[in-house]
Amino acid sequence: EPEVTQTPSHQVTQMGQEVILRCVPISNHLYFYWYRQILGQKVEFLVSFYNNEISEKSEIFDDQFSVERPDGSNFTLKIRSTKLEDSAMYFCASSPRGGSNQPQHFGDGTRLSIL
Amino acid sequence: QKEVEQNSGPLSVPEGAIASLNCTYSDRGSQSFFWYRQYSGKSPELIMSIYSNGDKEDGRFTAQLNKASQYVSLLIRDSQPSDSATYLCAVPLYNTDKLIFGTGTRLQVFP
Repeated sequence: EPEVTQTPSHQVTQMGQEVILRCVPISNHLYFYWYRQILGQKVEFLVSFYNNEISEKSEIFDDQFSVERPDGSNFTLKIRSTKLEDSAMYFCASSPRGGSNQPQHFGDGTRLSIL
Repeated sequence: QKEVEQNSGPLSVPEGAIASLNCTYSDRGSQSFFWYRQYSGKSPELIMSIYSNGDKEDGRFTAQLNKASQYVSLLIRDSQPSDSATYLCAVPLYNTDKLIFGTGTRLQVFP
C-alpha cells in the first residue's frame, strides 16, 4: 500500500539553526499538509498546500516557517531560526483531493529536538 | 475556537470486550469525521471515516454519528491487546480540510 515517507526520522538541531524536514507524499495525491504534535499534546494543523501554493495556515505557521515543493515528489517544511518550543513530532500528510471529506494519510513523522 | 473533545482515559477493557470511545465537536457545520489510531511514538493511522448520521461498520470497528447531538463514537468489538493505543477523533473545520484533533483516548486492552 502506498505510503507517505518522511526524512529524517529524528533531527537534532541547535537553537537558532535552520532545519528542513522532508516528505514524499503518496504519488497520485495532490494535497499536502504539515501537522505537529508536541509531546503529550494534541496533533495541531500547521499548513495545507495545493498547486504550489499555501491553501491555509494556522497561527503557529508564522514567518519562520515555509513550505516548498522543489520537485515533482518532495514536499518540505523549513524552519528558519529554530526555538526550543519547536521541539515536536512533525507529520506530513497527503490526500488525493482537497475538501473536508477527504481522508488524510500521515507519514511516520520526524522527531525534531532543539537543543 | 472550534473544539473536539475526548476523554483522555485510560479506558481499560478485557480482551474480547467491546471498547466504546466517544468524541464531541463544537462546529455545527462539520460534515466529515475521522478516527485515527496512534500507537505510542508513532504517527496517526486512519481507521474510519463517517459522513452521515447512523452507523458505519468496517470489520471489528463501528463508527456512530449523531450530528444533532454533535457526537461521534467508535466501537471496537472483540478487543485485542494489539488494539491498545490512543484513538484520535479528527474533524475538519467547516468548509476546509484543516483537521482539528481531539486529545485522544488511551485504550488499554488487558488479556
